[in-house]
Amino acid sequence: ETGVTQTPRHLVMGMTNKKSLKCEQHLGHNAMYWYKQSAKKPLELMFVYSLEERVENNSVPSRFSPECPNSSHLFLHLHTLQPEDSALYLCASSPGTGGTYEQYFGPGTRLTVT
Amino acid sequence: QKEVEQNSGPLSVPEGAIASLNCTYSDRGSQSFFWYRQYSGKSPELIMSIYSNGDKEDGRFTAQLNKASQYVSLLIRDSQPSDSATYLCAGRDNAGNMLTFGGGTRLMVKP
Repeated sequence: ETGVTQTPRHLVMGMTNKKSLKCEQHLGHNAMYWYKQSAKKPLELMFVYSLEERVENNSVPSRFSPECPNSSHLFLHLHTLQPEDSALYLCASSPGTGGTYEQYFGPGTRLTVT
Repeated sequence: QKEVEQNSGPLSVPEGAIASLNCTYSDRGSQSFFWYRQYSGKSPELIMSIYSNGDKEDGRFTAQLNKASQYVSLLIRDSQPSDSATYLCAGRDNAGNMLTFGGGTRLMVKP
């Protein structure tokens, strides 16, 4: 777990708040990902970044805004969220995208929207 | 739409038995497959990856891939209570950026 870190680990926010989730990877990887995991649902890919460029946006609402300033850091900016956005948000990284590259997950941020 | 299907379980096995977890996928273009273990309240942890037809063994774990039948399985030998977790299967085609995850199978190993 220390290869990919996420902060904060827990977050409670109101629907009018703005907050950001942070992810940092120490593995020298070139690709980073945001996933959402809700109860009773499979992991949902949100965004993929490869060498700081967004290569996948999986039909995510605009109230989620990713930012990747360099290959080691990834942010997810949140604003005007809905209660149904409450979930575990997971960051992952891999050496590259596609093919046989393995993805490694961070510990996640448990988000509650009130 | 690419899908990965898993029986949600729970799959209950006695300690010391072999646990067999199965996964089917719809996309024939899927080439790489991954098994993750997720303890309650924790993030997924990579256990094994498999890319070629046949078996791949790593300690007590054996992954099996059959591309013709479009299924992947994970065998856990000598199951321990500490193996109790949800096991996620994921697949990706070689050209794609996305991993498609199944819903996971919850495994319970009883002492």
